[in-house]
Amino acid sequence: SAVISQKPSRDICQRGTSLTIQCQVDSQVTMMFWYRQQPGQSLTLIATANQGSEATYESGFVIDKFPISRPNLTFSTLTVSNMSPEDSSIYLCSVVTGGSYEQYFGPGTRLTVT
Amino acid sequence: SQQGEEDPQALSIQEGENATMNCSYKTSINNLQWYRQNSGRGLVHLILIRSNEREKHSGRLRVTLDTSKKSSSLLITASRAADTASYFCATGNQGGKLIFGQGTELSVKP
Repeated sequence: SAVISQKPSRDICQRGTSLTIQCQVDSQVTMMFWYRQQPGQSLTLIATANQGSEATYESGFVIDKFPISRPNLTFSTLTVSNMSPEDSSIYLCSVVTGGSYEQYFGPGTRLTVT
Repeated sequence: SQQGEEDPQALSIQEGENATMNCSYKTSINNLQWYRQNSGRGLVHLILIRSNEREKHSGRLRVTLDTSKKSSSLLITASRAADTASYFCATGNQGGKLIFGQGTELSVKP
């Protein structure tokens, strides 16, 4: 497994602003992903964070709203742009290490938009 | 979009009893993973079962996979109050993406 940290752990933001969430892994990983968990719901994949190239977004998620960077194999950021109360969710990064396909999640960032 | 369904949505049992949760999915998979989440916190990885495996054990956990029925089950034996949490199944493809089920909320009463 890998040790994954996220910053911030939680934040309360005003509508119309943006928040950048950081995900740091203690070892190089092949795959990194970003998920969203809306209140009382399950997890939904936002995008695959590709090292050195543009992220691959899932249906319903766009780069202008959720820009993602992944400058190296241990770090990624997700920005939630022009926030509205509907963006209030837990945002989680995850990683796959080696060839096992086991996917491990960070502790999550709890975002509240007022 | 969600891959499938988990049932039951909620399960309440007494300590010492066994808890069984079921997961169904719609498309072909590379693997299926089970996670636990306590009170909206991070996900804890419990077990991964590959599409060519039928059963896997880890401590008090037993996972089965039936690819012909596109279903999986998670059995927790001799449950404890500390097992109270939400449990999610997630199907994985070769690209690593996971599609999550709706989750089962387990409550174990002391």
